[in-house]
Amino acid sequence: EAGVTQSPTHLIKTRGQQATLRCSPISGHTSVYWYQQALGLGLQFLLWYDEGEERNRGNFPPRFSGRQFPNYSSELNVNALELEDSALYLCASSLDGTLTEAFFGQGTRLTVV
Amino acid sequence: KNQVEQSPQSLIILEGKNCTLQCNYTVSPFSNLRWYKQDTGRGPVSLTIMTFSENTKSNGRYTATLDADTKQSSLHITASQLSDSASYICVVSQNTGGFKTIFGAGTRLFVKA
Repeated sequence: EAGVTQSPTHLIKTRGQQATLRCSPISGHTSVYWYQQALGLGLQFLLWYDEGEERNRGNFPPRFSGRQFPNYSSELNVNALELEDSALYLCASSLDGTLTEAFFGQGTRLTVV
Repeated sequence: KNQVEQSPQSLIILEGKNCTLQCNYTVSPFSNLRWYKQDTGRGPVSLTIMTFSENTKSNGRYTATLDADTKQSSLHITASQLSDSASYICVVSQNTGGFKTIFGAGTRLFVKA
């Protein structure tokens, strides 16, 4: 059974551009979480989607947005990229919204130059 | 540094199930700890308040516990109802002559039918 898959694995953008990151959850999982992990820092919670609805949002500017599709896959969009947005973006999915049972993807490494 | 940390950040449970929310604090000197329920678009409503000498307090289906030695509190919700869907905020008050309140970030609870 496939785990959580993210694409692309690496993404290089210039400052001011937009980035779109994608995540496919484990089959049957309805909750998708997005996290940012900047170099040397812990996971910072970005967004949580469940059954197509945004359930919770971390302390990030509106430039960070996303959505969840009917098949429960999800997109994270980052507009007006800044150098500080360079980080590993991790997606996790869970069956019932319990974070302790979330499974992570391999991440997308976003580099803003 | 005076902090109040809550976990999990978000939680989805099925109607009728029980759940427990956690609150760890480093506030000193400790005066009291409160659990609030905040419905979307409304102000917080106090559920329980406990002082140093109290280790459990109930309010209907809500039971809060306090361990002042380990500086941990929990809020247990029994037989959840759809109306329990809300943010639950742990608030610790400090009394150093002046009164200061430190808020946790809250746990978003969604109860599904």
